[in-house]
Amino acid sequence: GDSVTQMEGPVTLSEEAFLTINCTYTATGYPSLFWYVQYPGEGLQLLLKATKADDKGSNKGFEATYRKETTSFHLEKGSVQVSDSAVYFCALSDNDYKLSFGAGTTVTVRA
Amino acid sequence: GAGVSQSPSNKVTEKGKDVELRCDPISGHTALYWYRQSLGQGLEFLIYFQGNSAPDKSGLPSDRFSAERTGGSVSTLTIQRTQQEDSAVYLCASSPRADTQYFGPGTRLTVL
Repeated sequence: GDSVTQMEGPVTLSEEAFLTINCTYTATGYPSLFWYVQYPGEGLQLLLKATKADDKGSNKGFEATYRKETTSFHLEKGSVQVSDSAVYFCALSDNDYKLSFGAGTTVTVRA
Repeated sequence: GAGVSQSPSNKVTEKGKDVELRCDPISGHTALYWYRQSLGQGLEFLIYFQGNSAPDKSGLPSDRFSAERTGGSVSTLTIQRTQQEDSAVYLCASSPRADTQYFGPGTRLTVL
């Protein structure tokens, strides 16, 4: 079945540091890939997505590129802020409705 | 505009009781989804509605769990004879057709 594996946290960074969260997936078809973010006390929000190989999703300074050859969708941000502290979830969908999520990575950014 | 809303935000119940969780999707969204977020299992898909029909209910963990949707809008997730392992945050999401899912704030269920 479909599955998503993302790097375990927690991750603690200083402001303006570079952030990478690794995500790899297993799927039978050609899934769409997503990063969702959950800020403290808030619901899940879509951060970015990519629907086909080599697509790059980007939002709020975050980027992720759909790499079919390595079945990966790593999340990156060049300079994090305290406000980026959150739990980040990698997810896939290969049938346009059911999302399969990774375990989540908690990121804390210190001033 | 208004997002997905869920009620109650918190529910504490005793083992063996039935509970109903409500989801109000974004107006006009034809697709509605229920997920469960628990410490041990992470985020799990439960059920998907397209209109009032549920083409995929494969994620419902047991026959104690059921869900319905009426008028292509509000959905209710019912858990009968609750068990302690049902304690989790139950998330609802909606989308226009098959598209980006917009999540509600969740209902935190605690079974004592």
